[in-house]
Amino acid sequence: KAGVTQTPRYLIKTRGQQVTLSCSPISGHRSVSWYQQTPGQGLQFLFEYFSETQRNKGNFPGRFSGRQFSNSRSEMNVSTLELGDSALYLCASSNTLAGHNEQFFGPGTRLTVL
Amino acid sequence: QKEVEQNSGPLSVPEGAIASLNCTYSDRGSQSFFWYRQYSGKSPELIMSIYSNGDKEDGRFTAQLNKASQYVSLLIRDSQPSDSATYLCAVKRIGYSTLTFGKGTMLLVSP
Repeated sequence: KAGVTQTPRYLIKTRGQQVTLSCSPISGHRSVSWYQQTPGQGLQFLFEYFSETQRNKGNFPGRFSGRQFSNSRSEMNVSTLELGDSALYLCASSNTLAGHNEQFFGPGTRLTVL
Repeated sequence: QKEVEQNSGPLSVPEGAIASLNCTYSDRGSQSFFWYRQYSGKSPELIMSIYSNGDKEDGRFTAQLNKASQYVSLLIRDSQPSDSATYLCAVKRIGYSTLTFGKGTMLLVSP
């Protein structure tokens, strides 16, 4: 079974631009979570989608948004990029929201904002 | 604020030794506990999950959970240089689906 895929793997943008990242979960998984990882803050939860609905949102500004499609693929968008948005953006998929739901990560998208 | 605490390390052990990684959490409503391994420049990889008090063994890995003490640990037996990585502890609260991560412990296994 194929794992979680994320595209693109690397991005370089300049301040003020916007960016869209894509995530395809493991086949059959309907839950997609997004995390931001930086050296100083570690892994921080951005948002979670299940069946095209945002179920939870972390403590990030409104510049960060996302959506999920009917095939469970998800995108996240960051508008008006700031230098501090440089990070590894990770997508994780799970087959459920309930119970102990194990989450499996994709390879990540490394975003550099200049 | 729900927190997960880990010693940042590095924890240095010789090849063949037992590496012991520790994690404490503040939320008594935590239900599920996970250990992820992250190699430098890579994404986290799930290596163990534990939900009940006690020990859970999987190959060279043993996860230990003590909910009364709000403590979870990971033991790696016969440590190998390939085990050198950052180990992330993550917890999930009852009724919620999101994970809260510690900042990770770097493990260095020397040949």
